[in-house]
Parts: sequence; C-alpha cells; structure tokens
Amino acid sequence: EPEVTQTPSHQVTQMGQEVILRCVPISNHLYFYWYRQILGQKVEFLVSFYNNEISEKSEIFDDQFSVERPDGSNFTLKIRSTKLEDSAMYFCASSALQGVIGEQYFGPGTRLTVT
Amino acid sequence: TQLLEQSPQFLSIQEGENLTVYCNSSSVFSSLQWYRQEPGEGPVLLVTVVTGGEVKKLKRLTFQFGDARKDSSLHITAAQPGDTGLYLCAGAFNFNKFYFGSGTKLNVKP
Repeated sequence: EPEVTQTPSHQVTQMGQEVILRCVPISNHLYFYWYRQILGQKVEFLVSFYNNEISEKSEIFDDQFSVERPDGSNFTLKIRSTKLEDSAMYFCASSALQGVIGEQYFGPGTRLTVT
Repeated sequence: TQLLEQSPQFLSIQEGENLTVYCNSSSVFSSLQWYRQEPGEGPVLLVTVVTGGEVKKLKRLTFQFGDARKDSSLHITAAQPGDTGLYLCAGAFNFNKFYFGSGTKLNVKP
C-alpha cells in the first residue's frame, strides 16, 4: 500500500540553525501539506501546496518557513533560523484531490528538537 | 483562527459499551475528516464527510455530519480495547486549509 514517508525521523538542531525536513508524498497525489504538533497540543496546519506553489498558509507559516518540491518527488519544509518554540512533530500529508473531497494521508512525522 | 471543539477530551469505558464523540464549530465546514492517531505517529484517516446530514459507517463506527455542516459525531458500538487511541476531527474551511480539534483520548478497558 502506498504511503507518505518522511526523513529524518528525529532531528536535533541548535537555535538559529537552518533545518530541512523531507517528505516523499504518495506518487500520484497532487496536493501536499505540512502540519506541526507541539507536544501535548493539537495538530496545526502550516501550508498547502499545489502545482508548484503555495495555495494556503496559516499565520504560523511566516518568513522563516519555506516549502519546495525540488525534483518532482520530494516535498521539503525549510526553517531558516530555528527557535526553541519550533520544537514539535512535523507531519507531511498528501492527497489526490482538492481538499473539499480529497483525503489526506499523513506521514509518520519528523520530531524536531531545537536546543 | 477557526476553532473546532471536541468533547469529551477523555473517555474511559469498559469493553462492550457504546460511546459518542462530538466535534463542533460555529463555522461551516466545506468537509470534515475524522482521524485516529497513535502516540508518536501521524494521524490515520478514518472517514471524510462532505454533505450536510451525511452518515457513514465503518464497521462499528458511525460518523454523522450535521445538517448545517458545523458539527459532527463519531459513535462507536460495542467498543473494544483495540479502539483505544486519540480520535481527531479536522474541518476544511477553505479547499486546502484544515483545522484540527484537540482530540478525544479514548481508553477501552478489557
């Protein structure tokens, strides 16, 4: 069964460093998403991406964040200068159809720890 | 920020009991999804509901979307220990922007 994969599973970085979180969506999916979940809190939408551009973003997704689909298979989330409060699980998701009826499939997540 | 309220936050029941979990908002959803999440893992999609009044069944799970598309419920019949987990609802207010509830943590005791 096809699945979304994410690497690394755990990333530890120092405050102020740049990190890139990687995702490989399901191969025939067209819509891609990043979410984060701070420990003990709810899953929060960051950004959605379609046709090589951002279609929606939340207020969390500020200038420190960027997304890219560099090679047609990977979908990346870059945090330019990490802060302590960026520590969270980051989930990638993909769907075949637009959100109103599209079903999102989530990856296993990357645990980001900023020290 | 759109808010989805889930209730109850915690539920501990005996095997064989029935339960209902609720997801409410003051805003209208274009669609709503229910997920189950295990600790340290990503949410796993259970169902998507789109039409007001829609009812979907998945074995012992029944999902209902309110007529006004502002609320939803998940009913589990004859709960089993394997149903233990965190149940999340997520509403789409725009086509590609989703908001999650804080979840209901269900514990089914054998």
